[in-house]
Amino acid sequence: NAGVMQNPRHLVRRRGQEARLRCSPMKGHSHVYWYRQLPEEGLKFMVYLQKENIIDESGMPKERFSAEFPKEGPSILRIQQVVRGDSAAYFCASSRMRTGDWDYTFGSGTRLTVV
Amino acid sequence: AQTVTQSQPEMSVQEAETVTLSCTYDTSESDYYLFWYKQPPSRQMILVIRQEAYKQQNATENRFSVNFQKAAKSFSLKISDSQLGDAAMYFCAYRPSSGTYKYIFGTGTRLKVLA
Repeated sequence: NAGVMQNPRHLVRRRGQEARLRCSPMKGHSHVYWYRQLPEEGLKFMVYLQKENIIDESGMPKERFSAEFPKEGPSILRIQQVVRGDSAAYFCASSRMRTGDWDYTFGSGTRLTVV
Repeated sequence: AQTVTQSQPEMSVQEAETVTLSCTYDTSESDYYLFWYKQPPSRQMILVIRQEAYKQQNATENRFSVNFQKAAKSFSLKISDSQLGDAAMYFCAYRPSSGTYKYIFGTGTRLKVLA
């Protein structure tokens, strides 16, 4: 089992460009969660998705950020018109069940740098 | 609001010695889970140990053990016989009981292990 796969590992974007971050959950996991880790901070919840549905996006900034988890393929976190403040590590986690008691697994994150 | 506080930004320990990392949390829930995660330079979030709040017995995993004080809302991590490979960021995390999926993380403690 390859675990939660995130790519790219590092992403550099100029201000105003779009960033697309991908997350492939563990095999058999249909629940995906995105977190953001700003420098010197802990991870903060952004959004929870199941296949084709956004369940909870209470942690997502209202503008420029969107997420999807299509029927086929990885989950995508999209950031439009990036700004310097978007520079952070973005983590994805997945679980088999909603509660994810014992199989809630994190990926290694994508570090986004906005120049 | 539920919060997790790690008041030690950085700690150092001599190889083979014991170190304790502190964590306090605030919640009005009676049933919840607490976790310690290790984040090495690779950025991978590695689950070190978890504790169910309804269990009075402190969790242990090999050289890692916790001191869970529910009334004081304290959850410290003790690392015995420290090894160079233990050097990493350590995050304390909280999650309400089954049925929820959001983890709340502290800001982390950077552990240095001195040879």
